[in-house]
Amino acid sequence: DAGITQSPRYKITETGRQVTLMCHQTWSHSYMFWYRQDLGHGLRLIYYSAAADITDKGEVPDGYVVSRSKTENFPLTLESATRSQTSVYFCASSLEGVSSYNEQFFGPGTRLTVL
Amino acid sequence: GENVEQHPSTLSVQEGDSAVIKCTYSDSASNYFPWYKQELGKGPQLIIDIRSNVGEKKDQRIAVTLNKTAKHFSLHITETQPEDSAVYFCAAVSGGSYIPTFGRGTSLIVHP
Repeated sequence: DAGITQSPRYKITETGRQVTLMCHQTWSHSYMFWYRQDLGHGLRLIYYSAAADITDKGEVPDGYVVSRSKTENFPLTLESATRSQTSVYFCASSLEGVSSYNEQFFGPGTRLTVL
Repeated sequence: GENVEQHPSTLSVQEGDSAVIKCTYSDSASNYFPWYKQELGKGPQLIIDIRSNVGEKKDQRIAVTLNKTAKHFSLHITETQPEDSAVYFCAAVSGGSYIPTFGRGTSLIVHP
């Protein structure tokens, strides 16, 4: 059971380049999330999706684009990367919205460096 | 929207001591409070949670308490061990949104 996977695990890119981070889950969970983790800021929600073709902005959506054409995939695209987007990115999923009945599961993370 | 404050940002204890991490939340509609542990190089993992209709919950060496009136909840780890060293996150979830808001995390260091 692969669970939730992210690729690549590490990425170095240059300012202005487009970068896509992939997230794949094998549980057929309805909800998927993208977070960024920065020292001193904890986990901040970028975008989330309640189902295929339904996405919503989180706390820090500027500079990011998401899509969800298939339930199992939730790619995150940085259309023109900036140094401020250097971070560790985590994808997560839950069967339905997060509650005591629906645990949120996190992927292993992607460390992105923008030079 | 919801705002979750978490303290302390760093906590250093000796093996065998207890550790307490505290969080406050702002939205009275929040009714679910999970705690996550993040080991180095990994994603966060749920370790314990509490619903708003419960005041305390225990699971072996860890426990969580909730004070709805004061809007704060805490994680208690007893008899700490070096493997408890990690970053811990609290979160609050509103029954209306089902989307967690996270605290900024606490780095717990347990010295052997």
